[in-house]
Amino acid sequence: DTAVSQTPKYLVTQMGNDKSIKCEQNLGHDTMYWYKQDSKKFLKIMFSYNNKELIINETVPNRFSPKSPDKAHLNLHINSLELGDSAVYFCASSRVTDRFGTEAFFGQGTRLTVV
Amino acid sequence: AQSVSQHNHHVILSEAASLELGCNYSYGGTVNLFWYVQYPGQHLQLLLKYFSGDPLVKGIKGFEAEFIKSKFSFNLRKPSVQWSDTAEYFCAVEAAGNKLTFGGGTRVLVKP
Repeated sequence: DTAVSQTPKYLVTQMGNDKSIKCEQNLGHDTMYWYKQDSKKFLKIMFSYNNKELIINETVPNRFSPKSPDKAHLNLHINSLELGDSAVYFCASSRVTDRFGTEAFFGQGTRLTVV
Repeated sequence: AQSVSQHNHHVILSEAASLELGCNYSYGGTVNLFWYVQYPGQHLQLLLKYFSGDPLVKGIKGFEAEFIKSKFSFNLRKPSVQWSDTAEYFCAVEAAGNKLTFGGGTRVLVKP
């Protein structure tokens, strides 16, 4: 069973289009995240949701809008795609445990290419 | 396809003990290597990275990692841990043209 699944794995689209990337976790975690792998290869946090509520919203263009219909899903919708949006986007989920502090799992990433 | 293995799922140690977390990957070509940390209730932070050059890299908070190409390893070390190092640690590997692949994570509990 896949713990955190993202769809699609690859997405090629034209500038100006609107697209969504979906993320689902079957772990019962309360917190979910979207990260973008930037041009330096590092992961940068974009959004974090806890129990469907937005708790982190980093400096991200308004064209990016997360949507969490329930705590198992956190989708990323992007309007008016630009060339600079081309990147790999990772979804993750985590929970705070009693003993070890945190437990997190990552999706496989979605490679978005805007042409 | 590349894969990343972190051998220990859970590590428990006392403050001032030394920490070493193993990471091995399967890919024969050039790789970029990362260690990330996720503290309780927080998102990922980059601890350190290796792209090229000196295989012994130093990161934040006293962490270091050594890239041993012949062993396909990138182990993370810290000589003396603190209670605040309790977190989950992720090794990640990016091969040329491929996506980042994460290890399964190692949860570290430091007892005060």
